[in-house]
Amino acid sequence: TQLLEQSPQFLSIQEGENLTVYCNSSSVFSSLQWYRQEPGEGPVLLVTVVTGGEVKKLKRLTFQFGDARKDSSLHITAAQPGDTGLYLCAGAGGNTGKLIFGQGTTLQVKP
Amino acid sequence: EAGVVQSPRYKIIEKKQPVAFWCNPISGHNTLYWYLQNLGQGPELLIRYENEEAVDDSQLPKDRFSAERLKGVDSTLKIQPAELGDSAVYLCASSLGLSGGELFFGEGSRLTVL
Repeated sequence: TQLLEQSPQFLSIQEGENLTVYCNSSSVFSSLQWYRQEPGEGPVLLVTVVTGGEVKKLKRLTFQFGDARKDSSLHITAAQPGDTGLYLCAGAGGNTGKLIFGQGTTLQVKP
Repeated sequence: EAGVVQSPRYKIIEKKQPVAFWCNPISGHNTLYWYLQNLGQGPELLIRYENEEAVDDSQLPKDRFSAERLKGVDSTLKIQPAELGDSAVYLCASSLGLSGGELFFGEGSRLTVL
């Protein structure tokens, strides 16, 4: 069974601080996605990483896929209150179309 | 273009009562998913459809949960009878079905079982 473990589970920081969220697995994924979910809404895709070692940047967010395609990280620089939400990583295995979600990281950025 | 539409947004029922949730995916999306999400946790897959065929229902508690997607478009998820532990948000998502492709989620149906 493929599992994705996210850490930390909760994070409360002040505006302007940097943070990193980790997503780890013992399984290899063909691609990995990061979603952000706000209260009362469904998750919304931020990025998809496909190649081992790949780094993608989305404004103040930097996403990295591990060389072995078993882990990923999300780094936020100078966090803002608008970054508050639940961050989810999701891994796709093979060509089945099945997506496995991590447990999520709840981020609170205080002004 | 309309996104994934779910109804109802909220439902409060007493235990042992039945409940049904409806989902209309994005037009042209062949793959439809039902997920269960507890507060502050990641979504857990209940069932995945490719057109009208359920291709992955291994996590669906079939003694009380059922789902259908008769014409390969909209879908219904039913719970009968509901238990206290079923209280959660039920998310519907759709995609083009490509491996690693983006999932588009609805706003979810929040169920409270008293």
